[in-house]
Amino acid sequence: DVKVTQSSRYLVKRTGEKVFLECVQDMDHENMFWYRQDPGLGLRLIYFSYDVKMKEKGDIPEGYSVSREKKERFSLILESASTNQTSMYLCASSLTGGYEKLFFGSGTQLSVL
Amino acid sequence: KNEVEQSPQNLTAQEGEFITINCSYSVGISALHWLQQHPGGGIVSLFMLSSGKKKHGRLIATINIQEKHSSLHITASHPRDSAVYICAVTRRNTGNQFYFGTGTSLTVIP
Repeated sequence: DVKVTQSSRYLVKRTGEKVFLECVQDMDHENMFWYRQDPGLGLRLIYFSYDVKMKEKGDIPEGYSVSREKKERFSLILESASTNQTSMYLCASSLTGGYEKLFFGSGTQLSVL
Repeated sequence: KNEVEQSPQNLTAQEGEFITINCSYSVGISALHWLQQHPGGGIVSLFMLSSGKKKHGRLIATINIQEKHSSLHITASHPRDSAVYICAVTRRNTGNQFYFGTGTSLTVIP
């Protein structure tokens, strides 16, 4: 089975701190995604990457950046954390093709104080 | 307007009841996905389908491409089925991206 691993399950940071969320997948998937999940809003796409060093903005990229230096690793960076970035962050990966399953990590609950 | 709409948003059922969750979408799709998220847990894929019907244990997923509609059925519901169920689609010609409904929160009472 595909495994998508997120580095932290819970994270507490201060306003203004730079925050790194790491995600690693072990099945050679081309596509990797970062979502945030908030009550009543569902899953919203922050960024996705379809290849090494390639990235595309999603629906809510403001305040975030990403890095994909290796195929298996996709990092989400909060340049200067703010309280409105308190959320559940979910990483996911899939093969390319349109008829491929999406595999999720267990999520990181980030609290920005 | 969201491309994927789910109903109901919340659902409470007695153990043993037959449950239906609905999903409508407004775009051409390559595939439709049903996902499950337990409280505090990650999201797992239950079904991926582009036509017809799929069954896994007590769960059945159906899709009607002409009507742009899918249903997830749970037979003989059990408290362990309590979770959020999320419908998602991959759009035709943009196969790399997934589009999600806001989820249906199901609580099954013993």
